Amino acid sequence: QKEVEQNSGPLSVPEGAIASLNCTYSDRGSQSFFWYRQYSGKSPELIMSIYSNGDKEDGRFTAQLNKASQYVSLLIRDSQPSDSATYLCAVNPDYSNYQLIWGAGTKLIIKP
Amino acid sequence: ETGVTQTPRHLVMGMTNKKSLKCEQHLGHNAMYWYKQSAKKPLELMFVYSLEERVENNSVPSRFSPECPNSSHLFLHLHTLQPEDSALYLCASSQETGYSYEQYFGPGTRLTVT
Repeated sequence: QKEVEQNSGPLSVPEGAIASLNCTYSDRGSQSFFWYRQYSGKSPELIMSIYSNGDKEDGRFTAQLNKASQYVSLLIRDSQPSDSATYLCAVNPDYSNYQLIWGAGTKLIIKP
Repeated sequence: ETGVTQTPRHLVMGMTNKKSLKCEQHLGHNAMYWYKQSAKKPLELMFVYSLEERVENNSVPSRFSPECPNSSHLFLHLHTLQPEDSALYLCASSQETGYSYEQYFGPGTRLTVT
C-alpha cells in the first residue's frame, strides 16, 4: 500500500529558530512532491513543490528531496508565530497523474 | 483567497435531504478534484475530472454524485447522507503541464449531517 508518513507532532519551535519537518514515502517511483500549509479551519495552501533530488529554496522555505532514501523535508528559517499551522506532505505516485498520496500532517507551533 | 471558490461555506443537512456543493475555478485549469477531509485523517480523494471527463473515482458511495459541466465548474450532489459523512469537503484544480500537477484548493464546505 502506498503511504506517506509524517510525525503528527506537535512540533514546538522557538521564534526565530529553524523548523524542520520530515516526510517519508513508500512508492519508490514517485516523481513529484509537495508541501502544503493548513491553518486551523482553513484549506490547504501550496507552499513548495520539488521534483528532483537536492534542495529547493523559496524565501524562508527550503524543500529537500532524497529519492534514494525516500524522504522529503521542509525547513523553515527564522520561524514566525504566523508559521504555526499543520504542514501536509503530498506525493504523486507513478501510477497516476492526478492522485496525490497525503500524509496526515505535522502540527507546528512557533513559540514567541 | 485562491482562484477557487466554493459555495456554500457551511451546510447542515438532514439524512433525507438533497443538496449540492458548487465549485468554480478562475485559474484556467483543466482538471478539478473533490476531496473529503475528516478530523485526524489524511485528505481523501473522491473524484477527479480532466477536460470534463471523470478520470478517477475512488470507491465513493453512490450517495455522492459529481457533475462537471465545463472545465471551470464542478458540483457534488448529495443525497441520503450519513452522520459519518460530516467533514470538510474541498475542491481543487490543477493544470496538466508535464509531470507537474500542482493542486490549488478552494476554501471548502463544512458539512454537518444530522
